[in-house]
Amino acid sequence: GAGVSQSPSNKVTEKGKDVELRCDPISGHTALYWYRQRLGQGLEFLIYFQGNSAPDKSGLPSDRFSAERTGESVSTLTIQRTQQEDSAVYLCASSLAGGSLTYEQYFGPGTRLTVT
Amino acid sequence: KQEVTQIPAALSVPEGENLVLNCSFTDSAIYNLQWFRQDPGKGLTSLLLIQSSQREQTSGRLNASLDKSSGRSTLYIAASQPGDSATYLCAVPGTGNQFYFGTGTSLTVIP
Repeated sequence: GAGVSQSPSNKVTEKGKDVELRCDPISGHTALYWYRQRLGQGLEFLIYFQGNSAPDKSGLPSDRFSAERTGESVSTLTIQRTQQEDSAVYLCASSLAGGSLTYEQYFGPGTRLTVT
Repeated sequence: KQEVTQIPAALSVPEGENLVLNCSFTDSAIYNLQWFRQDPGKGLTSLLLIQSSQREQTSGRLNASLDKSSGRSTLYIAASQPGDSATYLCAVPGTGNQFYFGTGTSLTVIP
């Protein structure tokens, strides 16, 4: 079946503008994760959604970052008033369930964000 | 906080050679460990998931082992091929909902 998809694949924006990134998880996957990967660095956890439960926002770096997910479907990550340090690849992953963390994560291809 | 380290950071081998990638983690209380590969400009592809109750998992030419007590995992690649060239990442879950990733080993297999 279809994997995790993300859009856009590339986004160039001017400093101070808002951007919205989209993730379509694998159908039936209740858990959804957002990560950030800066050039030459490892993945940083941003936010986790599990079904209709309140999201775990503990990884969001500032209040300029927010994310939403409707039920078990699409998620959007919004970055307001973008800064140059926000430039990174934003990766989305989904899995059958979170919680006990015993399921594989499947990743999308990522959105490469460049803030000029 | 869990810290995940991967050694070496980069590795270059001739085609056909067997090789081992290493992953170490500081907190041994993990549910599982997952190995991924990442091709340039692409997302991560899951390779193997080892549950905490398992000691190893195999998929084709790949074999991953897990030693929780020593905080280590290895990924063994047999008979390497140029198509294996990629960055290999390991990840372990934290106490919350997040996963901690290593910075990866960049593998180049020379034809």
